[in-house]
Amino acid sequence: EDKVVQSPLSLVVHEGDTVTLNCSYEVTNFRSLLWYKQEKKAPTFLFMLTSSGIEKKSGRLSSILDKKELFSILNITATQTGDSAIYLCAHLGRYGNKLVFGAGTILRVKS
Amino acid sequence: GAVVSQHPSRVICKSGTSVKIECRSLDFQATTMFWYRQFPKQSLMLMATSNEGSKATYEQGVEKDKFLINHASLTLSTLTVTSAHPEDSSFYICSARAPWTGGHSYFGPGTRLTVT
Repeated sequence: EDKVVQSPLSLVVHEGDTVTLNCSYEVTNFRSLLWYKQEKKAPTFLFMLTSSGIEKKSGRLSSILDKKELFSILNITATQTGDSAIYLCAHLGRYGNKLVFGAGTILRVKS
Repeated sequence: GAVVSQHPSRVICKSGTSVKIECRSLDFQATTMFWYRQFPKQSLMLMATSNEGSKATYEQGVEKDKFLINHASLTLSTLTVTSAHPEDSSFYICSARAPWTGGHSYFGPGTRLTVT
């Protein structure tokens, strides 16, 4: 059974801090790893990682995949209160197109 | 960007009644939609994969007779919670896979179901 494990489960930081969120996976038929941000309602897409070692960046957020060690990290620099959310990591399998989510990391950024 | 809507956003129903939730892809056709359930401060749990024109594929442990899924067109999937009980109270989210994304899905805003 495919497994996606995120750590930490929750995190409280102050504005301006840098955070690193972790996602490890044990899956068969790996295709891609995805990161989503969920505030009140629908998760919004952040990154899709397919190749090892290539950093994807969007503003203060960046992410990278290590297919040898089977993990990914999501970095947020200069955090703001608007970054407070649940960050979800998910594996997209080669077959079936379904996403298997990790438990999520609840991030709270205090002003 | 692509938009997925859900209706209703919030519903309260009595125990024993059935509730239908709609998921629509507003500006693209989705051959595959997914239904998730989410408990407070927890992750999304995939319930089933909804395929247009064929039967849904349910995840292990999800009762197909209780959670009826119909994907009648390329832009609409419905989830009917039959004979609802208080333990069915949850946040239900759908997603639709767009053909150009290479795999990631767009999520609907979710439906908060409360069964009294």
